[in-house]
Amino acid sequence: GNSVTQMEGPVTLSEEAFLTINCTYTATGYPSLFWYVQYPGEGLQLLLKATKADDKGSNKGFEATYRKETTSFHLEKGSVQVSDSAVYFCALSDRSGNNRLAFGKGNQVVVIP
Amino acid sequence: EAGVVQSPRYKIIEKKQPVAFWCNPISGHNTLYWYLQNLGQGPELLIRYENEEAVDDSQLPKDRFSAERLKGVDSTLKIQPAELGDSAVYLCASSLGQPNEQFFGPGTRLTVL
Repeated sequence: GNSVTQMEGPVTLSEEAFLTINCTYTATGYPSLFWYVQYPGEGLQLLLKATKADDKGSNKGFEATYRKETTSFHLEKGSVQVSDSAVYFCALSDRSGNNRLAFGKGNQVVVIP
Repeated sequence: EAGVVQSPRYKIIEKKQPVAFWCNPISGHNTLYWYLQNLGQGPELLIRYENEEAVDDSQLPKDRFSAERLKGVDSTLKIQPAELGDSAVYLCASSLGQPNEQFFGPGTRLTVL
């Protein structure tokens, strides 16, 4: 079945540091890939997405590239801010028609001033 | 535009008691989803509605969980009786058909004592 694996553990870094969160996936066919963000006390929000190989999704300074050869969709941001502190979820949706999202476990990101 | 509304935000009950969660999707969104999010995990789909029809309920534990969306708008998820292991966050999401972006509510955090 479809699954998403995110790197273990929370991520703590200083303001203006470079952020990378790894995400790899297992899926049949060619899924769509997503990053969702959950700020404290709020619902999940779509951060960015990519629907085919080599597509780059970007939003709010975050980027992720759909790498079919390595089945990865790593999230990056060049200079984080305190306001980026949140939980980040990688997810995929297959094209079987049911639009079911498979999520990774999420990574807590804490940005220290 | 109002987002997905869920109530209550928090609920504490004793085991074997019933509990119900309510969700009002974004106006005009015909697809509604209920997800379960355990601590430290990503959301997992419980049930998906297209209008008032449950089209994907394969993940719903039907011995104790039930859901309804009688008029194709708001929805209720019920657990009866609740067990200790049901302690989690229950998320509602909606979308304008498929395979469009899912918008999530803030969730209901359930604690079963």
